[in-house]
Amino acid sequence: DGGITQSPKYLFRKEGQNVTLSCEQNLNHDAMYWYRQDPGQGLRLIYYSQIVNDFQKGDIAEGYSVSREKKESFPLTVTSAQKNPTAFYLCASKVDLNTEAFFGQGTRLTVV
Amino acid sequence: AQSVTQPDIHITVSEGASLELRCNYSYGATPYLFWYVQSPGQGLQLLLKYFSGDTLVQGIKGFEAEFKRSQSSFNLRKPSVHWSDAAEYFCATSGSARQLTFGSGTQLTVLP
Repeated sequence: DGGITQSPKYLFRKEGQNVTLSCEQNLNHDAMYWYRQDPGQGLRLIYYSQIVNDFQKGDIAEGYSVSREKKESFPLTVTSAQKNPTAFYLCASKVDLNTEAFFGQGTRLTVV
Repeated sequence: AQSVTQPDIHITVSEGASLELRCNYSYGATPYLFWYVQSPGQGLQLLLKYFSGDTLVQGIKGFEAEFKRSQSSFNLRKPSVHWSDAAEYFCATSGSARQLTFGSGTQLTVLP
């Protein structure tokens, strides 16, 4: 079945360590997105990519990095520079400019 | 810049009662509008979308939404709520940019 796979579902890291969240899609979508979700704040855009080897910062990109080497994959690295990394992270993809987004099941990152 | 406002943080209804969740958007041209639902610890599922045409849109799970340009609103409705509808609901818009802009969400509690 087509869809978006995020792994792992839960992730624990010590403060000061970088961590990479995986996002893979087999929907053949060009655009991919990373959102951060905190209670009461909705979804905030971290990074997005409209095409392979190209990506743009979203509203809260500081402390995060991404790559888009393959159409199917859009990994997110949470670096030690991110001051408050504990959150629920959602990956999404879209076919085209103004179509709906399809979401993965999310990764809950806890930094201790 | 486009924005979405969901005025109600939390709504409680009794099972079998009707439901209306409010959404207001800010965008100059005709926006593309979406409603998503999220169960705890899960990704977002699309309920319905409005691109153009008929302003009353039918979605999955018995939900509908009405686009009112004069009020900049896209309220979600359901005539009879089921206990399984308890979740968080997000309104979103996609305007000139490719990314979706989300409201802060409305948490729905359903009483037996």
